[in-house]
Amino acid sequence: NAGVTQTPKFQVLKTGQSMTLQCAQDMNHEYMSWYRQDPGMGLRLIHYSVGAGITDQGEVPNGYNVSRSTTEDFPLRLLSAAPSQTSVYFCASSYSGQGNNSPLHFGNGTRLTVT
Amino acid sequence: GESVGLHLPTLSVQEGDNSIINCAYSNSASDYFIWYKQESGKGPQFIIDIRSNMDKRQGQRVTVLLNKTVKHLSLQIAATQPGDSAVYFCAETLPSGANSKLTFGKGITLSVRP
Repeated sequence: NAGVTQTPKFQVLKTGQSMTLQCAQDMNHEYMSWYRQDPGMGLRLIHYSVGAGITDQGEVPNGYNVSRSTTEDFPLRLLSAAPSQTSVYFCASSYSGQGNNSPLHFGNGTRLTVT
Repeated sequence: GESVGLHLPTLSVQEGDNSIINCAYSNSASDYFIWYKQESGKGPQFIIDIRSNMDKRQGQRVTVLLNKTVKHLSLQIAATQPGDSAVYFCAETLPSGANSKLTFGKGITLSVRP
């Protein structure tokens, strides 16, 4: 299994541009989520999905959209990039979003810079 | 507010020594705790977890201890190796077990001296 795969690894955007961060998992996990990681802030949840066709907002959802049309894929869309969205983005999945035996598996991140 | 935190931002240990990384949590209702390791340029990697009905759990070279009385979690790494150098995060969640409710600490850097 490849686990959780994120693309691209690096991206530079200009303010106002849009883009989609891709995330795919091959572990048949029901739960998928997006985090951003900023210095001194820890990991903060942006959006999550407990299964195909279901998404919900996390702690910092503004400026981001998600969809979950398949179990495997969970893309994150930046509609109009802002410098405040400069961060490292991690996608994570788990067998189930509920219950205490489903630790998250993380991808290796997308490093986004917005100028 | 309640939060998960770590006592020290950095920890330096000699190769071969044992490492102890500490974490304090303030939400007494939390019942599931996880340690993650994050190497430079990579995503967090699951190390070990523990439920609140346990005081201790052992893995390969790692042990997690939970002291509910003082709301303290620790990660012990035996015979620390250079490959253990990384940032370590503790995380907690509430009895619902929902991963969407997972709260992460800010991380502590473990540096292993050769």
